[in-house]
Amino acid sequence: GQNIDQPTEMTATEGAIVQINCTYQTSGFNGLFWYQQHAGEAPTFLSYNVLDGLEEKGRFSSFLSRSKGYSYLLLKELQMKDSASYLCAVDSNYQLIWGAGTKLIIKP
Amino acid sequence: EAQVTQNPRYLITVTGKKLTVTCSQNMNHEYMSWYRQDPGLGLRQIYYSMNVEVTDKGDVPEGYKVSRKEKRNFPLILESPSPNQTSLYFCASSQRGQLANYGYTFGSGTRLTVV
Repeated sequence: GQNIDQPTEMTATEGAIVQINCTYQTSGFNGLFWYQQHAGEAPTFLSYNVLDGLEEKGRFSSFLSRSKGYSYLLLKELQMKDSASYLCAVDSNYQLIWGAGTKLIIKP
Repeated sequence: EAQVTQNPRYLITVTGKKLTVTCSQNMNHEYMSWYRQDPGLGLRQIYYSMNVEVTDKGDVPEGYKVSRKEKRNFPLILESPSPNQTSLYFCASSQRGQLANYGYTFGSGTRLTVV
C-alpha cells in the first residue's frame, strides 16, 4: 500500500526552530509537497521538492531524500501565527497521497 | 484574483437527498481534484480530472460522481448522501508546469453534514 507518516503533534517555543519529519512509501513519485493548514481553513502551499536536497523559502525550508523516502520541514524564528497543522503529501502518479498532518503548538 | 471557489461553505442535508457541491477555478488549470478531510485521517482523494472530459477515481470514490464538461468547473455530486459522507470537502486545482511555485490551490472548503 501507499502511506505517509508524520508525527501527530509537536510543541515548540516562540522564536525557536522546529523540524517536522515525513516518511513515505508510495508506488510512484512525482514530487513532495508541504502545506500549512489552520483549523477549519483550506491548506496553503508552502513548498515542493522533486529533487534531493534543501529548498529554502524565507523562514521555511524543506528537505528531500528520495532514496530514504524522507522529507522534513524546518521552521525558523517561530511565531505564534505558525500554530497550525503541517501536511506532507506525495504526488504519486498524479494522485496526491496525504499524511494525516502534524499539529504544531507554539508556546510563548 | 486567482482562486478556486467552492459553494456552499456549509450544508446540512438529509439522507438520500441528492446534492451538488460546485467548484470553479479562474486560473485555466488543467488538473482539478476533490478531497474529503476527516479527523485523524487527513485528506483523501475522491476524484480527479486531468482535463476536460477526463476523470479518474481517487482513493474513496464510492458514493460520489463528478463531471468535467468545461475546464473551469468540476462539480461533486452525491446522488444519495449517507451520514458517513459527513465531512469537510475541498476542491483543488493545479497546472503541472507550475507546481514548484504554486502547488495545488485549494478552495475554502464545504462542511457537509448528512443527518
